[in-house]
Amino acid sequence: AQKITQTQPGMFVQEKEAVTLDCTYDTSDPSYGLFWYKQPSSGEMIFLIYQGSYDQQNATEGRYSLNFQKARKSANLVISASQLGDSAMYFCAMRDDKIIFGKGTRLHILP
Amino acid sequence: DAGITQSPRHKVTETGTPVTLRCHQTENHRYMYWYRQDPGHGLRLIHYSYGVKDTDKGEVSDGYSVSRSKTEDFLLTLESATSSQTSVYFCAISVSLGNPTDTQYFGPGTRLTVL
Repeated sequence: AQKITQTQPGMFVQEKEAVTLDCTYDTSDPSYGLFWYKQPSSGEMIFLIYQGSYDQQNATEGRYSLNFQKARKSANLVISASQLGDSAMYFCAMRDDKIIFGKGTRLHILP
Repeated sequence: DAGITQSPRHKVTETGTPVTLRCHQTENHRYMYWYRQDPGHGLRLIHYSYGVKDTDKGEVSDGYSVSRSKTEDFLLTLESATSSQTSVYFCAISVSLGNPTDTQYFGPGTRLTVL
């Protein structure tokens, strides 16, 4: 059965440090996509980054990178040089024939 | 900006009243979705549409109906609102349905409170 897990309900990180948000998934489909979304306190859902199951390299988008470890079924989001504006809720999602979301991790960046 | 608007953005209603939420998109995407977001549950799919007058149920469809008479509009109706339907509702669009590479883009959300 399709499943996605975010084990960290909340994290506190000092500004300018790197952050890793964990995400593990389970699917029997060999073709799938993994996504991360950011939800700031204003409420909108912002797409950050995508990784395909057949992609050989880890996806990167600016300060965001996705640490994709296929054998371990993990798709962790790495934010380099964190900023105060990174404080938000972060959702991992997986898509094979349908898309499902994890329950989210609330990230707090401390000045 | 994926050109998605939702209306109303906030609504307070009473138990037993009908409520309709509207999602409007300007980019002619075929696929549209309604989700609800609740603390501890993330986002859960209510209904989705794969074309005009073509809709299907999602994970939590009980108590909700949808309609899509035009490509650009996807309506979510609560026939008789209950307090358990107090939630934030998001509309989303995508270019395809089953393509794993396809990203969903979300509207700004509607906060619904049922008293």
